[in-house]
Amino acid sequence: GQQLNQSPQSMFIQEGEDVSMNCTSSSIFNTWLWYKQDPGEGPVLLIALYKAGELTSNGRLTAQFGITRKDSFLNISASIPSDVGIYFCAGTYNNNDMRFGAGTRLTVKP
Amino acid sequence: EAQVTQNPRYLITVTGKKLTVTCSQNMNHEYMSWYRQDPGLGLRQIYYSMNVEVTDKGDVPEGYKVSRKEKRNFPLILESPSPNQTSLYFCASSLRMNTEAFFGQGTRLTVV
Repeated sequence: GQQLNQSPQSMFIQEGEDVSMNCTSSSIFNTWLWYKQDPGEGPVLLIALYKAGELTSNGRLTAQFGITRKDSFLNISASIPSDVGIYFCAGTYNNNDMRFGAGTRLTVKP
Repeated sequence: EAQVTQNPRYLITVTGKKLTVTCSQNMNHEYMSWYRQDPGLGLRQIYYSMNVEVTDKGDVPEGYKVSRKEKRNFPLILESPSPNQTSLYFCASSLRMNTEAFFGQGTRLTVV
């Protein structure tokens, strides 16, 4: 199946810092989605991207669908303690099932 | 409230003892799927269903079965669980295959 490479695997940052994470693939994807998983919960959608080049914001979060359709990034500005969790990218291709990245574990130190 | 409900949340069982994890959604979604989450591997799809009576294998289907007799329910069946099926399992539903997925709260399964 198509693989998504998500990086970094983990991040330890200070409250107030900006965060950036990304996903890349050797294949073209039609949709990119970013999810956050809080401890003990299922993933929850943060941002969905449906067009190449699309840049979308949701509060302090900004995500972009790469022009080549093979990558996407998620930025979090001015991080706060409740940003802690695991962030997953996901993509769909050829209208088939969704692929998930391995996740980025974010720790925010107050 | 729109939700995906999984039961049980936690389960410890012994090797070989058949078990079923239930999943129900109240959003009239056509597409439902099961994932397992293991450290460093992210979410891997086990099975998915595009509609009632339509199911197909995902990336890691071995050792699992599913059924979709009604639109709202999509149970995951382990006929003969083994320790390598110890994992965190998530059920998800979405309007269509490539749209936003809503996840259940997860089922942590331990097979000893």
